[in-house]
This record gives sequence, C-alpha cells and structure tokens, in this order.
Amino acid sequence: GENVEQHPSTLSVQEGDSAVIKCTYSDSASNYFPWYKQELGKRPQLIIDIRSNVGEKKDQRIAVTLNKTAKHFSLHITETQPEDSAVYFCAATYSGGSTLTFGKGTMLLVSP
Amino acid sequence: DGGITQSPKYLFRKEGQNVTLSCEQNLNHDAMYWYRQDPGQGLRLIYYSQIVNDFQKGDIAEGYSVSREKKESFPLTVTSAQKNPTAFYLCASSISRYTDTQYFGPGTRLTVL
Repeated sequence: GENVEQHPSTLSVQEGDSAVIKCTYSDSASNYFPWYKQELGKRPQLIIDIRSNVGEKKDQRIAVTLNKTAKHFSLHITETQPEDSAVYFCAATYSGGSTLTFGKGTMLLVSP
Repeated sequence: DGGITQSPKYLFRKEGQNVTLSCEQNLNHDAMYWYRQDPGQGLRLIYYSQIVNDFQKGDIAEGYSVSREKKESFPLTVTSAQKNPTAFYLCASSISRYTDTQYFGPGTRLTVL
C-alpha cells in the first residue's frame, strides 16, 4: 500500500518569511496529492491539491510542486501570517483508489 | 464542509461500554469515511463506504463497526474491543469513489474514563 512521509514535524518561522513542507510517497501509481490545513480542535480543510499531470500549482500565497520522478511533493507558503499557524497534512492517492493516505502532519507556527 | 455534521462534539465513555458516533451529510455524496486522529499520528482510516449497504475496512478497523443503511448517514460504533479508544474521530465524504477530494466534518472527541 501507499506510504506517505512528511517533514518537518514542526516548523517555526517569523511573520513574512516563507515556509516549505515536504512529503514523499511510495506508490508510483499515485496521481492526486491534496494538502489540508487543520487549526486546533477544528476539521481539516483542503487548501490546495495537485494532480500528476502538472508540476506546479499556485493559489495566491500558497503553491504546491510535484516531482514524479523523485516521488515527492511540497507545499510552499510565502509571506506567512500568524493566521497561517496550524497543522498541515499532505496526502496521496490514485484516482479511483477511493482512499487517501495521509502524512503525520507538520505543525507550523508563525511568530509576529 | 457545512454539509457534514458529527455529533456529539464531546463524548465520554466508561471502559467496557460501546458508543456510537454520528455522521450525517446532505451533500448527496456517495462515499463516506471514518478517520481516527491521535497526536503526532496524522489521520488513520478506520472504515469507508463507497455506496449504500457496502463498506470496507481501513487500516485500523479492529474494535470498530459501521453501517450504511442510508446515503446520508454513516455511524461509527466504538466497541469495548477497542483497547485505546480515546481520540479525535473525523468523518469525511466525497462525491463518489471516483472523486478524490474529501470534505471533513467537525469531529467528535471521545474520552474513555
């Protein structure tokens, strides 16, 4: 089955800095990679996703890159703000596989 | 997200008791999922259902049971066979088994006393 590893487990940055979270996956058949943000005590919310037919996707201050050859994908947050502080999860699946495999999460702390 | 509800928000249970967590959605989604979240462990899949009257075990199904008698409802029962049930439980749904994006409910925090 799929295995997803996520690093780092915690990340502290100053407001305005960039943050990068990296995930690797094991199943070369995986072709869908979402990122979720979870604030303390709340539900995970989808913030961006990417499919294997593209290498990069951006949405304002958030971007995701995918390297299929190396089987890793990354979340990039620019100009971080205190409200970006949360736990971020990556996940992977192949279309039609119907189940997501999640990484263990990264706690991002943005200090003013 | 607002179309998926879970109840109760907090639940306390004595050891040896079964307890049922509710998950309802009004999104007309075919597929529904149950995850367990522990600190530092990410989200682990307990059970999932792709269609009414059908469900499959996930990675950590032991000590749990589910039913899917209606499209909008997917209750999870935590049985006394689950040795460490204290956790945050999340329900999710997606349009169909062929649609990858999952949307989560607000979660139920279960504590065993």
